[in-house]
Amino acid sequence: GENVEQHPSTLSVQEGDSAVIKCTYSDSASNYFPWYKQELGKRPQLIIDIRSNVGEKKDQRIAVTLNKTAKHFSLHITETQPEDSAVYFCAASTGRRALTFGSGTRLQVQP
Amino acid sequence: ETGVTQTPRHLVMGMTNKKSLKCEQHLGHNAMYWYKQSAKKPLELMFVYNFKEQTENNSVPSRFSPECPNSSHLFLHLHTLQPEDSALYLCASSQAGYNSPLHFGNGTRLTVT
Repeated sequence: GENVEQHPSTLSVQEGDSAVIKCTYSDSASNYFPWYKQELGKRPQLIIDIRSNVGEKKDQRIAVTLNKTAKHFSLHITETQPEDSAVYFCAASTGRRALTFGSGTRLQVQP
Repeated sequence: ETGVTQTPRHLVMGMTNKKSLKCEQHLGHNAMYWYKQSAKKPLELMFVYNFKEQTENNSVPSRFSPECPNSSHLFLHLHTLQPEDSALYLCASSQAGYNSPLHFGNGTRLTVT
C-alpha cells in the first residue's frame, strides 16, 4: 500500500519568515495530494490540494509543489503569521483507496 | 456548523462497557470514514463506507464495529475496549471516490479506564 513520509516533525519560524514542509510518497500511481491544517483542539481542515496533472498551485500565502519523478510534494507558507501555528498533514491517494496521511508537522510561528 | 457533526464530544468508558459514537453529515456526500487520532499514529484510517457499503477495513480489531444505515449517518459501536484505545475518533465525509476532499467532524475524545 501507499506510504507517506513527512518532514520535519516540528518546525519553528519567526513571524514573517517562510516555512516549508516536505512529503514523499511510495506509490507512483498516486494522483491526488491534499494538505490539511489542524489547530489545537480543532478538526483537520483542507487548506490546499494538487492533482498530478499540475506541478504547482498557489492560494495567497500558501503554495504546493509536486515532483512526480521524485515522488515528493511540498507545502510552502510565505510571510508566516502566528495564526499559521498548527499541525499540518500531507496525504496522497491513487484514487483506488482512501487517503494515506503523513505523520504531521507541528509548525510554531514565533511573534 | 461544520457540516459533519459528531456526538458525544467526550466519552469515558470502562473496559466492560458498550457505547456508540455517532456521526451525521449534512453535505450530501456519499462516502464516510472513521479515523483514529493518537500521539503514536496521528491520522489512522479505520473504516470507509461508499454508498452505505463498507469498502475498507484497515485491520481494525473486532471490538470496534461500524454501522452505516444510510449515506448521512455513521456509527462506531464500541465494546470491551482496552486503555490503548483511548484516542480522538474523527468522522469524515467526501463525495464518492477517493480523490475528493475530506470534511472532518470535531471528533469524540474517548478515554477507556
